[in-house]
Amino acid sequence: NAGVMQNPRHLVRRRGQEARLRCSPMKGHSHVYWYRQLPEEGLKFMVYLQKENIIDESGMPKERFSAEFPKEGPSILRIQQVVRGDSAAYFCASSKDRLIATNEKLFFGSGTQLSVL
Amino acid sequence: DAKTTQPNSMESNEEEPVHLPCNHSTISGTDYIHWYRQLPSQGPEYVIHGLTSNVNNRMASLAIAEDRKSSTLILHRATLRDAAVYYCILSKNNNDMRFGAGTRLTVKP
Repeated sequence: NAGVMQNPRHLVRRRGQEARLRCSPMKGHSHVYWYRQLPEEGLKFMVYLQKENIIDESGMPKERFSAEFPKEGPSILRIQQVVRGDSAAYFCASSKDRLIATNEKLFFGSGTQLSVL
Repeated sequence: DAKTTQPNSMESNEEEPVHLPCNHSTISGTDYIHWYRQLPSQGPEYVIHGLTSNVNNRMASLAIAEDRKSSTLILHRATLRDAAVYYCILSKNNNDMRFGAGTRLTVKP
């Protein structure tokens, strides 16, 4: 039973390029979360998706960032026109059910380290 | 949102028990108390959670105060592999887990 799979593990982009980060949730999980962790800081929630729907994107920057979780395939976090400040570790997590008012837990991937040159 | 307060850092000796405290004075009756930890260069991993009663699993124990305004994560015998940042989180009416700064645990050989 594979865990949450993220790829690539490391991604290097030059300023202005696009970054695509992929996340395959655990088998049987239909809820996906993206977090960002800047160096020496805690994890910051970005977006919560269910299959084909964005449920909560309150932590997403308004510009250049987008996320999707299609009916088939992995969830994608897309960053357009990357800047140096986007350099961070991006973690994906999944859960079987929603978290609100439940005792569900999150399962995290190993993250994608994005470096912007 | 209900918040948690944890010490920034703690130290422990290998093979000794570790008690990691967490204050959550504004906790509400339906909040679960979750603990996660993040080892270096890895994603967070679930440790334990509880609502009112103390909980035990293979990784740790969770002691919850009677008024639920605080809790303690107990590692019975710390190993070097337990060195990590430990996060105490309340699951309230959020769509996600809200991670604070956590407690950085250092384990000395």
